[in-house]
Amino acid sequence: EAQVTQNPRYLITVTGKKLTVTCSQNMNHEYMSWYRQDPGLGLRQIYYSMNVEVTDKGDVPEGYKVSRKEKRNFPLILESPSPNQTSLYFCASQRTGISSYNEQFFGPGTRLTVL
Amino acid sequence: TQLLEQSPQFLSIQEGENLTVYCNSSSVFSSLQWYRQEPGEGPVLLVTVVTGGEVKKLKRLTFQFGDARKDSSLHITAAQPGDTGLYLCAGGETSGSRLTFGEGTQLTVNP
Repeated sequence: EAQVTQNPRYLITVTGKKLTVTCSQNMNHEYMSWYRQDPGLGLRQIYYSMNVEVTDKGDVPEGYKVSRKEKRNFPLILESPSPNQTSLYFCASQRTGISSYNEQFFGPGTRLTVL
Repeated sequence: TQLLEQSPQFLSIQEGENLTVYCNSSSVFSSLQWYRQEPGEGPVLLVTVVTGGEVKKLKRLTFQFGDARKDSSLHITAAQPGDTGLYLCAGGETSGSRLTFGEGTQLTVNP
């Protein structure tokens, strides 16, 4: 089954404790992206990756890091989480190319609470 | 950054009613998509429109892309409780792969 998986689904942590949220897709998609979703603000892009070893900032990259060492994986790293990073996070992937029309496949989400 | 405005933000209706959700921008998009998101899950793609004036139907849902490719609408006929969810529109940039999302319309269909 074609899917995007994220782990963990739920995480409660404390300020300053480094954490990683994993994301993996089995569709051989070149493009992957991380979003955060907050009430009243919608989905905002954090980072994206056009392919292996190619990453770029989205609209709200501060406080986050990513890496793309393999095509299928795109982990999101919070080196020193703060309470304002409490949010619902989604990983997404898509094909690239003229016929892809930017259609994205989303993971199930990770609900992060930073105390 | 291109912006997409959705309206209304919240919509609560009775089963069997019709409704329309709007997605507007001052920017031109190469493609526009509608997603539906249910609680505890990620958004799921419903449809993509790419041609100005294009109309697509998905059972009781009708999607339209504006002639100038700056706006779109989603019309649901005879809404059912199973239609309840957050509806998101998203515009694809003319270059690259980025999507700009609207804030969403939270639809509740009461039995």
